[in-house]
Amino acid sequence: DTGVSQNPRHKITKRGQNVTFRCDPISEHNRLYWYRQTLGQGPEFLTYFQNEAQLEKSRLLSDRFSAERPKGSFSTLEIQRTEQGDSAMYLCASGTEYNSPLHFGNGTRLTVT
Amino acid sequence: DAKTTQPPSMDCAEGRAANLPCNHSTISGNEYVYWYRQIHSQGPQYIIHGLKNNETNEMASLIITEDRKSSTLILPHATLRDTAVYYCIVRVFSGNTGKLIFGQGTTLQVKP
Repeated sequence: DTGVSQNPRHKITKRGQNVTFRCDPISEHNRLYWYRQTLGQGPEFLTYFQNEAQLEKSRLLSDRFSAERPKGSFSTLEIQRTEQGDSAMYLCASGTEYNSPLHFGNGTRLTVT
Repeated sequence: DAKTTQPPSMDCAEGRAANLPCNHSTISGNEYVYWYRQIHSQGPQYIIHGLKNNETNEMASLIITEDRKSSTLILPHATLRDTAVYYCIVRVFSGNTGKLIFGQGTTLQVKP
C-alpha cells in the first residue's frame, strides 16, 4: 500500500494554458474522488468515479474541467484555458467499500499567473 | 453544504488531552460522523469514524452523544505534531457517492 499518489506536486502555468493532473489511487480502490481546496477553506468536492464510470459532478466543475478514469485505475483531471481563479490545491482520494474511509493524496498545487 | 459546526480555533498544551467538539444536529439515522485532519501542505488524513457508539483507535477517541447531535474528538496526549486543521464531517451516501463534505474545520494549535 503506497498510498494515493498525485503528480505533479506543483504546477505553474500561464492564464489560458491547459493543464492535466494525474492521480494514482490505492490499488484495487474502486472509488475515486477529486476535490479542490483554496487557501483557508476546506476541500470542495468536484467529481466522483466508481471504477471507470463518472457518477457525480459538482456544479463547481465548469465545462473547462474534464476528468477521466479510462480503465478504472488512475485518473486525470484536465483544466482547459486556465484562469487565475483556478489557482488551488487539487486533491484526489480513493476508497473501497461503502463507508470505508477515504484516503487522500497530498495534492497538486496549481498556480495560474 | 456542510452539516457540521465546529469552533474555528482551539489551543491545547502539549501532553494534555485535546477535546474537539462538533455539532451535527441535523444528522440522519444512517449517517456516520467522520474526523479528518490536515497538516499544512498535505492532504487530509483519516482519523476515526462512528455511527452511534463511542470509538477508539490508535490515534484518537470519538465520543458521540446519545441523541447523535454532537460529538467530541479526543486526542489523549497532544503533541506538537498534532497541530493541524481538524474536520468533522457527516458523510453523505445519497446516490451511493459516499462523498465527504468538508466545512471550515477547527485549527488546533498545540503549544509547548
